[in-house]
Amino acid sequence: NAGVTQTPKFRVLKTGQSMTLLCAQDMNHEYMYWYRQDPGMGLRLIHYSVGEGTTAKGEVPDGYNVSRLKKQNFLLGLESAAPSQTSVYFCASSSVYGYTFGSGTRLTVV
Amino acid sequence: KQEVTQIPAALSVPEGENLVLNCSFTDSAIYNLQWFRQDPGKGLTSLLLIQSSQREQTSGRLNASLDKSSGRSTLYIAASQPGDSATYLCAVSATSGTYKYIFGTGTRLKVLA
Repeated sequence: NAGVTQTPKFRVLKTGQSMTLLCAQDMNHEYMYWYRQDPGMGLRLIHYSVGEGTTAKGEVPDGYNVSRLKKQNFLLGLESAAPSQTSVYFCASSSVYGYTFGSGTRLTVV
Repeated sequence: KQEVTQIPAALSVPEGENLVLNCSFTDSAIYNLQWFRQDPGKGLTSLLLIQSSQREQTSGRLNASLDKSSGRSTLYIAASQPGDSATYLCAVSATSGTYKYIFGTGTRLKVLA
């Protein structure tokens, strides 16, 4: 029972580098989300999707892009990483019955 | 703008104690409220989901209540155990159809054996 799978689990980037975080869910959920979690600030929504081919901005979208080409996958891209993007990133999917979270990606930008 | 506050930020109790965690939100026009548990270095696990039309939900030793008019929710944990040690977060969804959540910063609970 996989649920929501995030890859990679850890990554260290240099300032200016790019990367893509992958989120995959096997629950046939329409809704998917990317959050970041920082100490003392809780989880903040970066981008979300209400279905295949759709994306929308959340609370803190700057510096990130997303794509939802397939219903089961939601990709988060950093085009030019900055130290301020050092964080733990969580992907989630949801139905009317609530959220399922992935285990997170710890990203450090040096 | 919706804001979610959880007090206290940290709590330490002896095993067996009944305890209450508090969550308050500034905008009472919510769609639902959800309580999560997060273990160190892990993702979030959903505990209880309360729809805006409901007053409470129960699961085992956990009971969550919702008072929309006062902007408050409480998570009651009965007969606490060391395995309950974790951070507990509440989150509110203000929009139907997208289920976007605004999270509180959590209460870090430690249950002492």
